[in-house]
Amino acid sequence: AQSVTQPDIHITVSEGASLELRCNYSYGATPYLFWYVQSPGQGLQLLLKYFSGDTLVQGIKGFEAEFKRSQSSFNLRKPSVHWSDAAEYFCAVAGNTDKLIFGTGTRLQVFP
Amino acid sequence: EAGVAQSPRYKIIEKRQSVAFWCNPISGHATLYWYQQILGQGPKLLIQFQNNGVVDDSQLPKDRFSAERLKGVDSTLKIQPAKLEDSAVYLCASSQLSSGGIYNEQFFGPGTRLTVL
Repeated sequence: AQSVTQPDIHITVSEGASLELRCNYSYGATPYLFWYVQSPGQGLQLLLKYFSGDTLVQGIKGFEAEFKRSQSSFNLRKPSVHWSDAAEYFCAVAGNTDKLIFGTGTRLQVFP
Repeated sequence: EAGVAQSPRYKIIEKRQSVAFWCNPISGHATLYWYQQILGQGPKLLIQFQNNGVVDDSQLPKDRFSAERLKGVDSTLKIQPAKLEDSAVYLCASSQLSSGGIYNEQFFGPGTRLTVL
């Protein structure tokens, strides 16, 4: 069965610092992988996705993620965090259907 | 292009009452999803429609939850009777027609926050 683990429930960083959010997945084949962001009172917005090809994918708002098959990971990174990046971040996996399986999320807090 | 619309945005009810949520997907999107997001958890799929037919409702608690998409456009999710544990955000999403194993991006609405007292 597909599953997603986000080991960090809450992360706090200073504005301008680098960021890495961890995501591990479980799936028998190469999955479709996603990162979504959810601001308070807002729906989910897709940051980036990996389907195949280059394992380093670029997304919106300066985010990138790297797919590592050997580690079953798809970690999200940003070199310099802005205060507006404070939000909840969800990693998700989809197999050969449209069904998205989400992790439990990581809440990002940014200090000035 | 207008996004996925949901109403109401907030709803407070007492347990054992009934409630209904409405979703209007992006124009032309054949596939519609309802998710339940309990505080501190990621969204969980409740039901998926393709046009007006149900594709997957395996996670829908059918003794109290029902959903319909009669004309293949907008959709209603109903809870009757509500329980305390139904307090959550209910998200609607839509995507283009699914076919041939090609993944189509899901676009999410702002959600309806339900509080059951």
